[in-house]
Amino acid sequence: GAGVSQSPSNKVTEKGKDVELRCDPISGHTALYWYRQSLGQGLEFLIYFQGNSAPDKSGLPSDRFSAERTGGSVSTLTIQRTQQEDSAVYLCASSHPGLNTGELFFGEGSRLTVL
Amino acid sequence: GDSVTQMEGPVTLSEEAFLTINCTYTATGYPSLFWYVQYPGEGLQLLLKATKADDKGSNKGFEATYRKETTSFHLEKGSVQVSDSAVYFCALRTQTGGFKTIFGAGTRLFVKA
Repeated sequence: GAGVSQSPSNKVTEKGKDVELRCDPISGHTALYWYRQSLGQGLEFLIYFQGNSAPDKSGLPSDRFSAERTGGSVSTLTIQRTQQEDSAVYLCASSHPGLNTGELFFGEGSRLTVL
Repeated sequence: GDSVTQMEGPVTLSEEAFLTINCTYTATGYPSLFWYVQYPGEGLQLLLKATKADDKGSNKGFEATYRKETTSFHLEKGSVQVSDSAVYFCALRTQTGGFKTIFGAGTRLFVKA
């Protein structure tokens, strides 16, 4: 596609439910990132995929959070047993290896509200 | 670990005022440095970048110079406009640990007419 696509754009769920957020990066971009942006807060790094390398999961806040990337393209971020503090905008970004500067291209985000 | 610190906002300026948003970093090696901008209701987009010491990134009247001696990358604009109202994020791309990009907390800028 022309840009990074994320779905759903908005998700309202009840505390304790599981949610899945999807990211479809720009075609050919081998690097994919997930960030979390809470109200009034900056971008919190969650996880980073680069090609076939093991992902950098150092930013995942708890074991309720996991992510996978299938076939080096689409990624899914899963939050199990959601809590109210998980409410935030989850941003996905991708990057092309040929871009020496490593510019990130962001999706519009998935806004998660946990009631 | 690598990190980015930027001045807290919000910053409120009158139109045509001079803008400085401070950004300092801690990193191993020689990271690439970026400023991203998030306009109201829009996604993040790259504003400018610098890949090595003393490089100056510029775009839309904004400038930032990569200062290794002070580990800084301050954003400046000589005359802001109402349309510059947005949240500005300083970021670095690490040179170790897989080229991860780390962001600062963001600085919200309000420009009054």
